[in-house]
Amino acid sequence: SAVISQKPSRDICQRGTSLTIQCQVDSQVTMMFWYRQQPGQSLTLIATANQGSEATYESGFVIDKFPISRPNLTFSTLTVSNMSPEDSSIYLCSAGGSWTNTGELFFGEGSRLTVL
Amino acid sequence: AQRVTQPEKLLSVFKGAPVELKCNYSYSGSPELFWYVQYSRQRLQLLLRHISRESIKGFTADLNKGETSFHLKKPFAQEEDSAMYYCALKKGGGYQKVTFGIGTKLQVIP
Repeated sequence: SAVISQKPSRDICQRGTSLTIQCQVDSQVTMMFWYRQQPGQSLTLIATANQGSEATYESGFVIDKFPISRPNLTFSTLTVSNMSPEDSSIYLCSAGGSWTNTGELFFGEGSRLTVL
Repeated sequence: AQRVTQPEKLLSVFKGAPVELKCNYSYSGSPELFWYVQYSRQRLQLLLRHISRESIKGFTADLNKGETSFHLKKPFAQEEDSAMYYCALKKGGGYQKVTFGIGTKLQVIP
């Protein structure tokens, strides 16, 4: 299993600014993902964070808006750039490992962003 | 494209009554299906997966490929079952992205 810590847990930001969310896993994991959960909506995958290479983005999400880093097997960051009120959401970090190959994902507690 | 549909945003049942949370999916290959749960003030966590054919906290779910469904069932609801439940789908084989449904809030009335 894996324990995932995210920070900040919440923040209030001004329009036009950027915020970086950090995700730390207590063990090495194969896959790390970033999801967004807008009010009343499901979890939407933003991108897969690849260790040592550029992230793989889903349709509708671009690197300029959501740059992602993953310098090693236990850490990743997501930056929400040039924020607007539409970016107000919960951002979730998740991770999966190859130890059981069950497909199970572990989640952080989420980062709740409010953009004014 | 893979898609997961949960038709009910809210399901209210009385304690002791049976529970069925519906989930339908669309995917052309052989998917792996999961149910995740999020209790109040807790993080999202796996409840069960179709591969394991297990019963967790009295919940079971059977994959029906003919109806493309993976409904979650429990014969007798308990108050502690109140939570958000998300059905999720992953392409079979290895680690690939997981697609989630919109979620159903289960409210068990004492």
